[in-house]
Amino acid sequence: KAGVTQTPRYLIKTRGQQVTLSCSPISGHRSVSWYQQTPGQGLQFLFEYFSETQRNKGNFPGRFSGRQFSNSRSEMNVSTLELGDSALYLCASSLLGQGGETQYFGPGTRLLVL
Amino acid sequence: EDQVTQSPEALRLQEGESSSLNCSYTVSGLRGLFWYRQDPGKGPEFLFTLYSAGEEKEKERLKATLTKKESFLHITAPKPEDSATYLCAVPMYSGGGADGLTFGKGTHLIIQP
Repeated sequence: KAGVTQTPRYLIKTRGQQVTLSCSPISGHRSVSWYQQTPGQGLQFLFEYFSETQRNKGNFPGRFSGRQFSNSRSEMNVSTLELGDSALYLCASSLLGQGGETQYFGPGTRLLVL
Repeated sequence: EDQVTQSPEALRLQEGESSSLNCSYTVSGLRGLFWYRQDPGKGPEFLFTLYSAGEEKEKERLKATLTKKESFLHITAPKPEDSATYLCAVPMYSGGGADGLTFGKGTHLIIQP
C-alpha cells in the first residue's frame, strides 16, 4: 500500500508571496492532519480535516488555511509569507482521525522563505 | 495544559551499548502514546502505540514501555543505523472529536561504530 505523498518536496518563496502544498493520504484514510516542524518549536499541529471539513485547528494565524477534497486529498495554503514560515511541513493521515489512532506521516515539504 | 517532555535531548552511544530514552507526559485521559523515528530531512516513521500502563511493545532492538506518567524507549545493542531522532507524542483532546498530536522535542540519538 502506498504511503502518504506530499508535493512539492522543496519550495523557495519570498516574503509576501503565498504557497500551496499538497498531500495525498494513504488509500482508505479519510483524516488528514498538517504539522509544522522547525528547529526551535519542534513539531506543531496546524489543523485536521475529515470528510472535507476542518475539525480542529492549532494555534496558528489565519494566514494558514487548508482544505480537503472528496477523494481525501488535502491542500494547505500559507498567504503573505513571513521569514518565520520557513519550516518542514508535514502531512499525516489516519483512518478516521479518532483519538488514539495512529497517524502516518509523509516525507514533508521543505519551505524556505527569503 | 497537555505537555510532553523528552530526555535526554541528545545521546551518543557506542555500538552495542544499551540505553533508554524517556518521555514524560501530563495529559488528562491518555488515549495513546506514540513513538516515531525521524531521519534528517524525512517525515516521522511510526514505531509504536501504547494505550495503557504496563503495556510493552517490541520491534527488533527497540522496546517501548508505558507507565501512568511516562514512557521509555529501550534500545538494546544498538547499531549505527539506529541513529535518528526519536519522538514521542500524545493526542490532544479538543472536544471536537479530531485530535492533533502534541510532540516532545525529541531525543537525537547517535550510535558510533
